[in-house]
Amino acid sequence: DQQVKQNSPSLSVQEGRISILNCDYTNSMFDYFLWYKKYPAEGPTFLISISSIKDKNEDGRFTVFLNKSAKHLSLHIVPSQPGDSAVYFCAASPVGSGNQFYFGTGTSLTVIP
Amino acid sequence: KAGVTQTPRYLIKTRGQQVTLSCSPISGHRSVSWYQQTPGQGLQFLFEYFSETQRNKGNFPGRFSGRQFSNSRSEMNVSTLELGDSALYLCASSLATQVDGYTFGSGTRLTVV
Repeated sequence: DQQVKQNSPSLSVQEGRISILNCDYTNSMFDYFLWYKKYPAEGPTFLISISSIKDKNEDGRFTVFLNKSAKHLSLHIVPSQPGDSAVYFCAASPVGSGNQFYFGTGTSLTVIP
Repeated sequence: KAGVTQTPRYLIKTRGQQVTLSCSPISGHRSVSWYQQTPGQGLQFLFEYFSETQRNKGNFPGRFSGRQFSNSRSEMNVSTLELGDSALYLCASSLATQVDGYTFGSGTRLTVV
């Protein structure tokens, strides 16, 4: 049973525009969320995280929004750049689970120059 | 500083054989987690080791096992390989808790024929 879902397998955006990647989760015990970026033949790279006590976290061009009531997470990239083209995974961790994370299936982002 | 090192990068095995994969975490990182990545399934959590003890275990059969040594290096073993075990196996290390996030290695691509 997939507890973290990324329902859009792919997304194409023009360079300079906003990219919005979405993630839904089912487990109300999740209290920590992360986004990772993955290029082919490389391991995922940590991008940004958010704790359940917040609803927004920003880091440069990347902003993560958390809507706990809707169990929904989104990553905004503004402005999008061609180098952002990669697969993006969201991940969630339950309270007290140590380092066990549940990952979504990923969204492949293509930024068109 | 050196990243997470996984060896070997590629491996081809025959059904029924066993395989051992190795992971050297970032120096100072005591937590090592293993994930299986297959197309359409995203990253599936296998297990996490912290200070030589298995702290969390995912929903995989007993053919999948692991261990961690006193220097935090970790190995995972898969016995009686099946075709469905073909996947990218990713190792990730972190300091201790979920808030630290992971640093992933580049993975070991296992093909079972």
